[in-house]
Parts: sequence; structure tokens; C-alpha cells
Amino acid sequence: QQQVKQSPQSLIVQKGGISIINCAYENTAFDYFPWYQQFPGKGPALLIAIRPDVSEKKEGRFTISFNKSAKQFSLHIMDSQPGDSATYFCAASRGNAGNMLTFGGGTRLMVKP
Amino acid sequence: NAGVTQTPKFQVLKTGQSMTLQCAQDMNHEYMSWYRQDPGMGLRLIHYSVGAGITDQGEVPNGYNVSRSTTEDFPLRLLSAAPSQTSVYFCASSYFRTAGYTFGSGTRLTVV
Repeated sequence: QQQVKQSPQSLIVQKGGISIINCAYENTAFDYFPWYQQFPGKGPALLIAIRPDVSEKKEGRFTISFNKSAKQFSLHIMDSQPGDSATYFCAASRGNAGNMLTFGGGTRLMVKP
Repeated sequence: NAGVTQTPKFQVLKTGQSMTLQCAQDMNHEYMSWYRQDPGMGLRLIHYSVGAGITDQGEVPNGYNVSRSTTEDFPLRLLSAAPSQTSVYFCASSYFRTAGYTFGSGTRLTVV
């Protein structure tokens, strides 16, 4: 049972455009939602994270939008650049499960120049 | 700081062989985890630890064993390798739950 569902699996965006990746979760006990960025041959790196008590968090060109009632959250990359081309993973964790992260299936983003 | 160091980077095993994937961190992180990454399936948690001497199973623990004798090291043992264990393995550590994980660069394992 996949507790965090991510879409789309792949995404092609023109340079300067907006990239949008969506995630949906099932377990209402989740209370921490990070996004990770992974370049080929590298481990994932934390990009941005949000707690469910806020609806939006912005860091530079990256914004997380969070809809608690719909159990959905999304990553928006504004002014997408070729250097943003990577695989993006959403994840979720809950306080009573150690530090276990449940990941979505990933989105491979390609930004065309 | 070296961060999270994984060795080896690549490994080919024959079915039935055993081996240990090494993971070490120098950030004094309490939380450490092992994940496997397979195409289209994201990262799946194998085992995790919340401190020295404390380990627990994740989502896909079968065929793997871990121990945590020190804060720095968290080795993953494959007991009897199977082709289904062909994957990329990542070790990660975190200071506290919402600090975000620091991942190693991974071990690409092929079981033939």
C-alpha cells in the first residue's frame, strides 16, 4: 500500500516556466512533509519542507502548497531552469514512528533551454 | 565534515552470497536509516535506528539485518543475496526528525 502518491512520473517544462508536482497522502498522522531533489548518481538532498499548520512555504523559487483537508501537497518551481532538471521526491513522516520517511514514487523533471 | 559515507559504491554479488554495506556519519546524528531505491518506486525504508543500540524494521526488512553499536556507524547486512535485492542502497542520517535527512551517495548493488 503506497501511502504517498506522487504525480506526474515525468515532466517536461520550458526554461522560465512553472513546474508543478503533486502528492497525496492517506495517513492523517503524518505531520512533516519534506521534498527532496536528486541528481543522477547522487543521493537525495532536502529541498524544502512544511508542517501541516501552514498552508504555504516559500524558499526562493520553490514553494510548497499544503491542503490539509484534501490531504494533498504540491511543489511549485517558479522560473524553472535547466539546472533544476532532476528527480524530485515528496515524503511524509509522523511523530510516533521514529524518523521514518515514507516517499512518493518520484518525478523526473526536465527543463528545456 | 565528510557527512554520510557509504562503501562500497558498486558491488556485484552472486546469489546466496552475503555482504555488508557500510555507512558512517560524522555529524553526531542520532537518527540513521537505510533505504533502497528502485525505478518508479521511490525510496523504501529497510531499517532505521533512533540511537546507538536501538534499531527497528522499516517497510521492506526481509533479507536484511542491521546493528547500531556506535552513533557513527550503521552497517546493513545482506544475509543471502537474491536477484530481487538488486537496487541502489542509500544510508541517511538526521539530527532530529524534522531537520531533514542527509543522504550518502549510495551503493549500487547487482545480484546475479
